[in-house]
Amino acid sequence: DTAVSQTPKYLVTQMGNDKSIKCEQNLGHDTMYWYKQDSKKFLKIMFSYNNKELIINETVPNRFSPKSPDKAHLNLHINSLELGDSAVYFCASSQWDESDEQYFGPGTRLTVT
Amino acid sequence: GENVEQHPSTLSVQEGDSAVIKCTYSDSASNYFPWYKQELGKRPQLIIDIRSNVGEKKDQRIAVTLNKTAKHFSLHITETQPEDSAVYFCAASKAEYGNKLVFGAGTILRVKS
Repeated sequence: DTAVSQTPKYLVTQMGNDKSIKCEQNLGHDTMYWYKQDSKKFLKIMFSYNNKELIINETVPNRFSPKSPDKAHLNLHINSLELGDSAVYFCASSQWDESDEQYFGPGTRLTVT
Repeated sequence: GENVEQHPSTLSVQEGDSAVIKCTYSDSASNYFPWYKQELGKRPQLIIDIRSNVGEKKDQRIAVTLNKTAKHFSLHITETQPEDSAVYFCAASKAEYGNKLVFGAGTILRVKS
């Protein structure tokens, strides 16, 4: 009955590879987000989707491509991984019209070697 | 765009004492101010939030105050316990732009027993 789930929890890969992180929410929310938390714990939004439509794209390199097949899923695909992409990536969801709590997933720790 | 500053970056208190964390924001249109607690290796979780039409909100040992004129808000934890030790993040958002959360840099709270 997990509200927001992500897979995988850990991802170790080499520079230049392409990888994907999946996110699913069962809260019935219509808005989903990707945040990046760097080694200094700073949390920064990357993308936001509302009803499968891209709403926010925060100057993220175009190697990062989010995809929302439906409003319960928001996946993140990363091409040509770089060392600086190493971070914890959190998915979150909320209801658009409520300016309300965002529920975070457990995070995916990505390590690029 | 919105900028949120958070102080202090680290805070050590004795068990039973109070802890106060302060944040300032730059965009006067921001209208939602949540506080998240993140334990080591875990997801951020909402502990309390306040909207711009309210000056203060309390939930047991936790309270948040908001001064819209000065554009700052604070988290107060009374009777601190060792399990309060974590990283605390303030954030600000405004409803008309997808509820994007702009986070402060975080405060590491250590409660010494």
